[in-house]
Amino acid sequence: NAGVTQTPKFQVLKTGQSMTLQCAQDMNHEYMSWYRQDPGMGLRLIHYSVGAGITDQGEVPNGYNVSRSTTEDFPLRLLSAAPSQTSVYFCASHRGRGYEQYFGPGTRLTVT
Amino acid sequence: AQSVTQPDIHITVSEGASLELRCNYSYGATPYLFWYVQSPGQGLQLLLKYFSGDTLVQGIKGFEAEFKRSQSSFNLRKPSVHWSDAAEYFCAVARGIQGAQKLVFGQGTRLTINP
Repeated sequence: NAGVTQTPKFQVLKTGQSMTLQCAQDMNHEYMSWYRQDPGMGLRLIHYSVGAGITDQGEVPNGYNVSRSTTEDFPLRLLSAAPSQTSVYFCASHRGRGYEQYFGPGTRLTVT
Repeated sequence: AQSVTQPDIHITVSEGASLELRCNYSYGATPYLFWYVQSPGQGLQLLLKYFSGDTLVQGIKGFEAEFKRSQSSFNLRKPSVHWSDAAEYFCAVARGIQGAQKLVFGQGTRLTINP
């Protein structure tokens, strides 16, 4: 199993550009989440999904969109990038309540 | 609202010394508690978790943590650290809404090991 994979590993965007961060898991987990990590703030939940077709907002959803058309994939879209979205983004998946979350290696995004 | 506090931003210990990383949480119900470790440039790896039962939990790499409800704490310990333990450590609390775990993380504690 590859576990949770994320692409790209690094990305530089200009303000106003849009892009999609890809996340895939091959563990048949129902639940998937997106977090951002900023210095001194730990990780904060952006959006999460409890199954294909079902998504909901986390703690810091503004400026991001998600969809979940398959169990395996959970892409994160930045609609119009802003410097405040410079961060490291982590995707995670888990089987459900009581089970640990598995994290991908992260995408480092810089918005200039 | 749930919150997690890790009071120590940076800790330095000598190799072979004991380690304790502090974590305090605020949560109304019985929490699900986790410790994750992040090596530089890597994702997060679970060290251990507490859901219920024995309040002293054992994890990987020789780590353990003790849940103390009266102190709202879940401190991580290791009796003798190795240079490879240098990393950032995150405490997290899970709440279940719609059956999903929405982790709330602390700010992290960066651990440096002196040779």
